Amino acid sequence: EPEVTQTPSHQVTQMGQEVILRCVPISNHLYFYWYRQILGQKVEFLVSFYNNEISEKSEIFDDQFSVERPDGSNFTLKIRSTKLEDSAMYFCASRVRDSLGEPQHFGDGTRLSIL
Amino acid sequence: DQQVKQNSPSLSVQEGRISILNCDYTNSMFDYFLWYKKYPAEGPTFLISISSIKDKNEDGRFTVFLNKSAKHLSLHIVPSQPGDSAVYFCAASAGGSNYKLTFGKGTLLTVNP
Repeated sequence: EPEVTQTPSHQVTQMGQEVILRCVPISNHLYFYWYRQILGQKVEFLVSFYNNEISEKSEIFDDQFSVERPDGSNFTLKIRSTKLEDSAMYFCASRVRDSLGEPQHFGDGTRLSIL
Repeated sequence: DQQVKQNSPSLSVQEGRISILNCDYTNSMFDYFLWYKKYPAEGPTFLISISSIKDKNEDGRFTVFLNKSAKHLSLHIVPSQPGDSAVYFCAASAGGSNYKLTFGKGTLLTVNP
């Protein structure tokens, strides 16, 4: 069964450094999402992406965050200058089409640890 | 943000019995509800969903019930198996919001052999 692939599984970065989290969505999917889960808290929506542009973002997704689909397969989340509070699990998800009844499929996540 | 609430952090049941996981929501714009299962070190795996035009959806051992007037949904697993032990997340979306998901905090289900 096709799946969403995320790399790396664990990223350790010094505070203030840039980090790029990578995702390969399911190949025929058109809608892409990033979520994060801080330890002990809910899974929270960050951003949705369609047709090479952001379609919606949360208040968490400030100017330090950006997303990109640099080629036909990868979908990346970049944090320009990481802060301690960015430490979390980051999940990528994709969806085949924009219609009711189509679930989002998630990758296994990247654990980001900011030191 | 308490739009989706799972009030039971954990639930323990015996193998072969029914597991009932509950979820409440407050946003009346939600029209699509999903249950995800999550094992440690893995991402959420889609289990079953229901749209607001239905009150029940069944898939094998899993049934989701939706009570719109009470803003409540539940997931029934019958019969429960030890492999069902995982964290179960309730999630909801509203059609005009790019179907972004709002999650509950999850319920840890333990099925004892």
